[in-house]
Amino acid sequence: QVQLVESGGGVVQPGRSLRLSCAASGFTFNNYGMHWVRQAPGKGLEWVAVISYDGSNKYYADSVKGRFTISRDNSKNTLYLQMNSLRTEDTAVFYCAKDASSPVWGQGTTVTVSS
Amino acid sequence: QSVLTQPPSVSGAPGQRVTISCTGSSSNIGAGYDVHWYQQFPGTAPKLLIFGNSNRPSGVPDRFSGSKSGTSASLAITGLQAEDEADYYCQSYDSSSWVFGGGTKLTVL
Repeated sequence: QVQLVESGGGVVQPGRSLRLSCAASGFTFNNYGMHWVRQAPGKGLEWVAVISYDGSNKYYADSVKGRFTISRDNSKNTLYLQMNSLRTEDTAVFYCAKDASSPVWGQGTTVTVSS
Repeated sequence: QSVLTQPPSVSGAPGQRVTISCTGSSSNIGAGYDVHWYQQFPGTAPKLLIFGNSNRPSGVPDRFSGSKSGTSASLAITGLQAEDEADYYCQSYDSSSWVFGGGTKLTVL
């Protein structure tokens, strides 16, 4: 079955970096665009970034543009989110999701930015 | 401020029918993009409830239904049950990105 498993979350100080990973299985990974979505504590869902099936196109939310980089390794069926210059307001659960007519989401990984 | 607009809360008694609206614009829902609905319980990931405006994934009860018209979409829940108490989000597309509603908290009285 289709499965997405995020990892890489943790506690980090403001200004530091973190890289999230999303391991995909159960579908042909290199046929689909992939998204990152986050949810701050007690808040709603916020779209973060998307990457096309081949990695040639990437788009970002204004709130993370210039600080976050989405990438993928189709040989490893893995999606990444490199997060630099982290801020306290980046504290959230981060989900990866498959862009399909019937979207599939992972279970999320928690990022806490705190001094 | 979310791109899609949902009521912050709705409520209903067990057995009743409730609807949750999701209002967008000509650049997202009105442009013909699909609307998806998610159900989320505290501390868990969103679960896909309705995809492609009105389709239910396997395992979702037929008490849940979705519709779309113009720049808006709706989620209807009939025969309300206590276990339906959760947060509900609509999602569509706009300029290569996903857009979400702010979420609606459903309370079963």
